[in-house]
Parts: sequence; C-alpha cells; structure tokens
Amino acid sequence: GEDVEQSLFLSVREGDSSVINCTYTDSSSTYLYWYKQEPGAGLQLLTYIFSNMDMKQDQRLTVLLNKKDKHLSLRIADTQTGDSAIYFCAESPNTNAGKSTFGDGTTLTVKP
Amino acid sequence: DAGVTQSPTHLIKTRGQQVTLRCSPKSGHDTVSWYQQALGQGPQFIFQYYEEEERQRGNFPDRFSGHQFPNYSSELNVNALLLGDSALYLCASSASYEQYFGPGTRLTVT
Repeated sequence: GEDVEQSLFLSVREGDSSVINCTYTDSSSTYLYWYKQEPGAGLQLLTYIFSNMDMKQDQRLTVLLNKKDKHLSLRIADTQTGDSAIYFCAESPNTNAGKSTFGDGTTLTVKP
Repeated sequence: DAGVTQSPTHLIKTRGQQVTLRCSPKSGHDTVSWYQQALGQGPQFIFQYYEEEERQRGNFPDRFSGHQFPNYSSELNVNALLLGDSALYLCASSASYEQYFGPGTRLTVT
C-alpha cells in the first residue's frame, strides 16, 4: 500500500534555512501536501504541489518535487522560533484531497 | 468565516462504551473526512463523506461508522471502545484539493 516516510527530527538555528524531506511510494499520487501541527492543535495546511510540477514557492516556503525518485522537500527560509512544530508530509491520489496518506511527522526545533 | 469546528474537545470513556464525535465543516465545503492520530504518529484516514454517503474508507473495522447531514456536518461513531482507540480524532473538510482540519477531539479510553 501507500507509504510516506520522513526523518523524525530536525534542529536549526534561528535565521537559518530548514529543509524537511519526505519520500512516498504511491506512483498515482496526484497531490502532495505539507501540514504544520503545533502542540495540542489540529493540522494547518501550509502548501501543496501537484504531481506535474517541480517546484512551488510561497513566501518563505519552497517545495521541491522529484517525481522520478518520489522525493518531496520543504524549505523554510529565515526560520523563526515560531516555526518550531511538527511538519507532516501527505499524499493523495484524488482531486478532493480524499484518503490522504501521512508520514509520521518531522519535529522541527528552532534554537535562538 | 468559521473554520472547521469539532466537539467535544476532550472525552473520557470506558472500554466497551460507545462514543459520538461531531464536526462542522468550513463554510462552502461539502466533503468531510475523519482521521485518527495516535500519539507520535501521523493521521490515519478513517473514511470520507460526500453527499451524505460514505465515499471512501480506510483500514478501520466496522466499529467505526459515520454519518453526514444535509448541512454537510458529520458524526463519527465508535462502538465497543478498546484501549487502542485512545487518540486524537481529526475532522477535515474540503471542496477540492485543499483540505482543512479542525482542532480535533482527544478521546481517552480507560
């Protein structure tokens, strides 16, 4: 079945760039997503990319997609302490975001 | 514009009991999905409702059932609760490829 893998932890200094990586197995993945979860809260949709795109930039966020290697990355420029959270990668084969498969999340810690 | 809302926030139940969780989708959204998030893991898809019908289902037993009302709000029912059902239950609504999550209901089964 579908599987999404992420590294568990990342620690960076404030002001540096953060890069969170994700790999997925489902070749039919149509949409790939990044969500942020802060302690005790639900998931916040950060950005997404269609499988026919290579890159998407949205303010401080840059998403890169290597479809051949099924590798997705999220780069956060000028990382701030408020960016400390768990980041989830997810994929969906459907146009309605249905049946999304999530990784287990990467905990980003930003040190001042 | 209110986002996705869920109730209750927290719930404590005993093994064998039944529970109902509620979700109101974001305005303009007609599709509701439910996810279970165990501690330290990513959300697992339970099922999705559209036009009051279950459209897709994940790998969850029949003890998990749901309903969608004409106003698009939804309920998740879990029967014969097990200790392993303790988790954060997330509701998400969508109208297309963007999915928005509610704050979740924390269910503890003792």
